[in-house]
Amino acid sequence: DAEITQSPRHKITETGRQVTLACHQTWNHNNMFWYRQDLGHGLRLIHYSYGVQDTNKGEVSDGYSVSRSNTEDLPLTLESAASSQTSVYFCASSEIPGQGRTEAFFGQGTRLTVV
Amino acid sequence: ELKVEQNPLFLSMQEGKNYTIYCNYSTTSDRLYWYRQDPGKSLESLFVLLSNGAVKQEGRLMASLDTKARLSTLHITAAVHDLSATYFCAVDNGGANSKLTFGKGITLSVRP
Repeated sequence: DAEITQSPRHKITETGRQVTLACHQTWNHNNMFWYRQDLGHGLRLIHYSYGVQDTNKGEVSDGYSVSRSNTEDLPLTLESAASSQTSVYFCASSEIPGQGRTEAFFGQGTRLTVV
Repeated sequence: ELKVEQNPLFLSMQEGKNYTIYCNYSTTSDRLYWYRQDPGKSLESLFVLLSNGAVKQEGRLMASLDTKARLSTLHITAAVHDLSATYFCAVDNGGANSKLTFGKGITLSVRP
């Protein structure tokens, strides 16, 4: 079965360190997204990609970057981790509208703590 | 900028009773999704609503979409404990592609 996996599931890091969260999907979806989930804010979009070599900023992109070198992977990098980036991070993927199922499928999440 | 509002943010429900929760959004879209999230878990797709007047039902849950009013409703029939979770609506404003904007979620708690 197709799936979307995130790693690690939990991570504790120190302020100022660079951190990369991995996201790998086997749906062969063109669209991939990174969200963060914080109490009282729901899910907020960090970065997204509509295909290889395409990346776009979401509403809370400061301090984060992504790159898309293949269809399956969209790693999220925190350039210099800050305590404000302590959160639960979700990766999602979806197909282009009109190409089949349109809903986004989510990974299991990564709980990141910056100390 | 698309804004998605859900209300109420928390709802305590009594077993066996019916309830309706709402999702309003600020700009035109005809693609709306409902997701369920259990504590500590990921988001699970519940309903996909792709046109004005769309209605979908699954068990005790029924979702509908009114694109003219920019409103979706999620109706719960005879609430049971298993429905306790957080429910998110998400609106797609990505045009030819896809980009979901989420509401803050509604946490439902079903009490005996």
